Amino acid sequence: DTGVSQDPRHKITKRGQNVTFRCDPISEHNRLYWYRQTLGQGPEFLTYFQNEAQLEKSRLLSDRFSAERPKGSFSTLEIQRTEQGDSAMYLCASSRGQDYGYTFGSGTRLTVV
Amino acid sequence: DQQVKQNSPSLSVQEGRISILNCDYTNSMFDYFLWYKKYPAEGPTFLISISSIKDKNEDGRFTVFLNKSAKHLSLHIVPSQPGDSAVYFCAASGRNTDKLIFGTGTRLQVFP
Repeated sequence: DTGVSQDPRHKITKRGQNVTFRCDPISEHNRLYWYRQTLGQGPEFLTYFQNEAQLEKSRLLSDRFSAERPKGSFSTLEIQRTEQGDSAMYLCASSRGQDYGYTFGSGTRLTVV
Repeated sequence: DQQVKQNSPSLSVQEGRISILNCDYTNSMFDYFLWYKKYPAEGPTFLISISSIKDKNEDGRFTVFLNKSAKHLSLHIVPSQPGDSAVYFCAASGRNTDKLIFGTGTRLQVFP
């Protein structure tokens, strides 16, 4: 059990560029979640997958955001045409189910300049 | 509309004493509550949870109390240790969803 891995740890990009983040969950976890956290706030839900099916999406996830989880393994989160307001920590988590709590990764810190 | 509220942004406690972190929620449909701890540059770490059918859950030095009528929960840490210094988040979820709604966090500092 190597935990939840996120790549990259940090990303600095210019406004208008596209970025993609990767998350590798704990292998036996079938549920995967994406959250976003800004300074002074708690994590905000973006979306979650059970296996390869995307079961819920937040209204925060505008049409510039897309998430995939092909084959129910790793997941990617893409942000197109980044804006300064997208600057945040993007957290991925996985779990076996609600009763077990989530295991979070260390996050990807995005800075849009 | 903040459905989960942690009204104390910070708390300072002496080592060995009890730390009490509080959380209030507004949505009566929440039926599962969790506490997470977060160190700088790391993701949140799951600490302890409680289902709405219970009013107390204990795990070592950590105890969570749930008062459904007041829509209030609290995390007790006793005795507090310097390694407990971190930001603590309260979170809640409802039936038929895995989505967690987090509070804004309370920064706990345990001093010697």
